[in-house]
Amino acid sequence: EAQVTQNPRYLITVTGKKLTVTCSQNMNHEYMSWYRQDPGLGLRQIYYSMNVEVTDKGDVPEGYKVSRKEKRNFPLILESPSPNQTSLYFCASSLKSGLAGQETQYFGPGTRLLVL
Amino acid sequence: QQQVKQSPQSLIVQKGGISIINCAYENTAFDYFPWYQQFPGKGPALLIAIRPDVSEKKEGRFTISFNKSAKQFSLHIMDSQPGDSATYFCAGKSGTSYGKLTFGQGTILTVHP
Repeated sequence: EAQVTQNPRYLITVTGKKLTVTCSQNMNHEYMSWYRQDPGLGLRQIYYSMNVEVTDKGDVPEGYKVSRKEKRNFPLILESPSPNQTSLYFCASSLKSGLAGQETQYFGPGTRLLVL
Repeated sequence: QQQVKQSPQSLIVQKGGISIINCAYENTAFDYFPWYQQFPGKGPALLIAIRPDVSEKKEGRFTISFNKSAKQFSLHIMDSQPGDSATYFCAGKSGTSYGKLTFGQGTILTVHP
């Protein structure tokens, strides 16, 4: 089954304790992204990757790191989490459509993070 | 700054009614406008999308209307059903920027039976 998986699905941690949220896709997609979803703010892109070893900042990259060492994996790293990073996080993957400019992003199930 | 502004934030509609969600964008480089639907506990999924070379696109009960001069587009859900209750996000994308979607704030739609 084609899918994007994220782990863990739920995480409670404390301020300053490094954590990693994993993301994996089995569709051989070139592009992968991380978003955070907050009430009233919608989905905001944190980082995205165009291919292995190629990443770029999204709209809200502060406090986050990513890496893309393999095509299928795109982990999100919080080196020193703070309470304002409490949010619902989504990983997504996509590839270029045959139609110019069109792109469908496939989202994972989400990771709910609480930073105390 | 939010480059795609979506309204209303929440919407309650009776079964059989029409749901209308509006979006406005600022980036004139955007040339692809998808709508995503998200059910509770799930990730968003593509519902319908439009390119600015057409003014309307219809798929079943879902229609996108697009006004390029006003930089606005909207989603119309005809004959709304309780199963349509979900959060809806509009988005914009530049044709040269794969992997980068800019989303609106989302609309929580509730359809009462």
